[in-house]
Amino acid sequence: EIVLTQSPATLSVSPGERATLSCRASQSVSSNLAWYQQKPGQAPRLLIYGASTRATGIPDRFSGSGSGTEFTLTISSLQSEDFALYYCQQYHNWPPGYTFGQGTKLEIK
Amino acid sequence: QLQLQESGPGLVKPSETLSLTCTVSGGSIRSSSYYWAWIRQSPGKGLEWIGSVYYSGATYYNPSLKSRVTISVDTSKNQFSLKLSSVTAADTAVYYCARALTSARALFDDWGQGTLVTVSS
Repeated sequence: EIVLTQSPATLSVSPGERATLSCRASQSVSSNLAWYQQKPGQAPRLLIYGASTRATGIPDRFSGSGSGTEFTLTISSLQSEDFALYYCQQYHNWPPGYTFGQGTKLEIK
Repeated sequence: QLQLQESGPGLVKPSETLSLTCTVSGGSIRSSSYYWAWIRQSPGKGLEWIGSVYYSGATYYNPSLKSRVTISVDTSKNQFSLKLSSVTAADTAVYYCARALTSARALFDDWGQGTLVTVSS
């Protein structure tokens, strides 16, 4: 079973600055890694898939990188609407079993 | 634009069966391009994939829940459903239905708004 570990658990950043979120997989998931954003009271929204491809309608200030076991989500020039929970998720194996990381809360500094 | 809407009781008694339905609008559940999934979120366990169904009726379940889960599809109503038996307080969560591409069966590109189910007597 693949375990995803996200760090940090909470990240405090000022608006306009850059945020870097990490996700580590316990074994290789190739590029089968997605990032989701979740705001209070809402469902998760797909941001990035294939480790680095933005989903439809996602602003280009969101970027993803990595492959294998180490992945990064970068949000350049944080906007107020970007402060939320972020989850990574692997879709490398099927059925996926355990598939989501535990999340990183991005909060306003 | 695709919309998914969960429906069902918000309160279930311990040991009983949780039943939810997801109604898909703005697209056909018969599409060979998608799987249809149930995912839940609780404070204690985060996001947890429960299982998925294909329009043909083929099902795939999380091994940790497999003995208690049944997911089915009704193409005539453009709906798919979840049954979780012998529930306990640990099954209290927000339950989401979601869509995944056939090419990446666990990549969820569209979600319902979610429905809170509380297990309590």
